[in-house]
Amino acid sequence: KAGVTQTPRYLIKTRGQQVTLSCSPISGHRSVSWYQQTPGQGLQFLFEYFSETQRNKGNFPGRFSGRQFSNSRSEMNVSTLELGDSALYLCASSQSYPQDNEQFFGPGTRLTVL
Amino acid sequence: AQSVTQLGSHVSVSEGALVLLRCNYSSSVPPYLFWYVQYPNQGLQLLLKYTSAATLVKGINGFEAEFKKSETSFHLTKPSAHMSDAAEYFCAVSPASGGSYIPTFGRGTSLIVHP
Repeated sequence: KAGVTQTPRYLIKTRGQQVTLSCSPISGHRSVSWYQQTPGQGLQFLFEYFSETQRNKGNFPGRFSGRQFSNSRSEMNVSTLELGDSALYLCASSQSYPQDNEQFFGPGTRLTVL
Repeated sequence: AQSVTQLGSHVSVSEGALVLLRCNYSSSVPPYLFWYVQYPNQGLQLLLKYTSAATLVKGINGFEAEFKKSETSFHLTKPSAHMSDAAEYFCAVSPASGGSYIPTFGRGTSLIVHP
């Protein structure tokens, strides 16, 4: 069974631009969660989608948004990029509820904002 | 509200020695607790999780953790370290509720294994 895939793996943007990251979950998984990982703040939960609906949301500004498609693939968008958005963005999928079922993480997208 | 504290950003052990990574949590509701491992340039992998069944939880790669409610701890142990155990380890807590899932992660502990 293929694992969680994230594209692109690396991305360089400049301040003010916007970016879209993509995540393909494991086949059959309906829950997709997004996390931001930085040396300063550690791992922080962004949001979780289930059946195309945002079910849970972390404490991030509205510049961070996401969506999930009918095939469970998910995208995350960051608008008006700031230097502090430089981070590793991780996607994780699970069958239903993340805390009841194992989450499988992708390798992440490394975003650098210049 | 919930929080996680991992004591020691770096832990260094010799190959074959006991591994002990400390995690203390606070949670206003019954928690689920997790340990994850992250190897360089990879995502996180679940080692084990506590979901209110047995207090001693066995995970993959010989790791185990014990939930101690009185001490609000969930320390990770392995009897004998292997070079391949060198990685970053994260403890996490989330509400034990099917509807609400917002996890809180510790800052991570880097395990260094010396030959």
